[in-house]
Amino acid sequence: DAKTTQPTSMDCAEGRAANLPCNHSTISGNEYVYWYRQIHSQGPQYIIHGLKNNETNEMASLIITEDRKSSTLILPHATLRDTAVYYCIVRVAYRRHTGNQFYFGTGTSLTVIP
Amino acid sequence: SAVISQKPSRDICQRGTSLTIQCQVDSQVTMMFWYRQQPGQSLTLIATANQGSEATYESGFVIDKFPISRPNLTFSTLTVSNMSPEDSSIYLCSVEGQGDTLGTEAFFGQGTRLTVV
Repeated sequence: DAKTTQPTSMDCAEGRAANLPCNHSTISGNEYVYWYRQIHSQGPQYIIHGLKNNETNEMASLIITEDRKSSTLILPHATLRDTAVYYCIVRVAYRRHTGNQFYFGTGTSLTVIP
Repeated sequence: SAVISQKPSRDICQRGTSLTIQCQVDSQVTMMFWYRQQPGQSLTLIATANQGSEATYESGFVIDKFPISRPNLTFSTLTVSNMSPEDSSIYLCSVEGQGDTLGTEAFFGQGTRLTVV
């Protein structure tokens, strides 16, 4: 079951940073925070994940609070192509030969405005 | 990464009939996952398909309604049986990442858009 809370929708001006919050107050010590996005009419796409340290890749940055009860996904320079639904998911670390399912919550619909 | 092909991409079906959706992956994977996405909603996991064993269904989903086959490590099918308009959804196939993406990413197909009339 989804263990995260996200705002239903957000707007962001093109070229500005998009900051998408996620609350996961019941996260366990062995659970990671994952972010996926789903552009209209496509399957979800992996963005980034982290345990407790901040993470950055070519797509985004992930900031996790010290108590790990919330996190923020940052798209540093949003473009129109970043308009999508963004899902924050918590999941335990990978375990070989067992289910490694992702359970999606409702997500945040981000609209990047020209 | 993994490339996933789903067939058909979309279909319109009569109520009471069944549709089988195919999912082909370009590499061998241990587990495949089937999701449903109802109109305007998030993704809901239907079942996990492990090659060589029975699929494991999530609460609210049963084998009689959504039988799954997993004949080999690159292929799976999901059948939506005795369809009703409430089954109108996008059905997505997903696999775990392999190699560098093992345990991190999951990859998704483009989905099958099903409309039941």
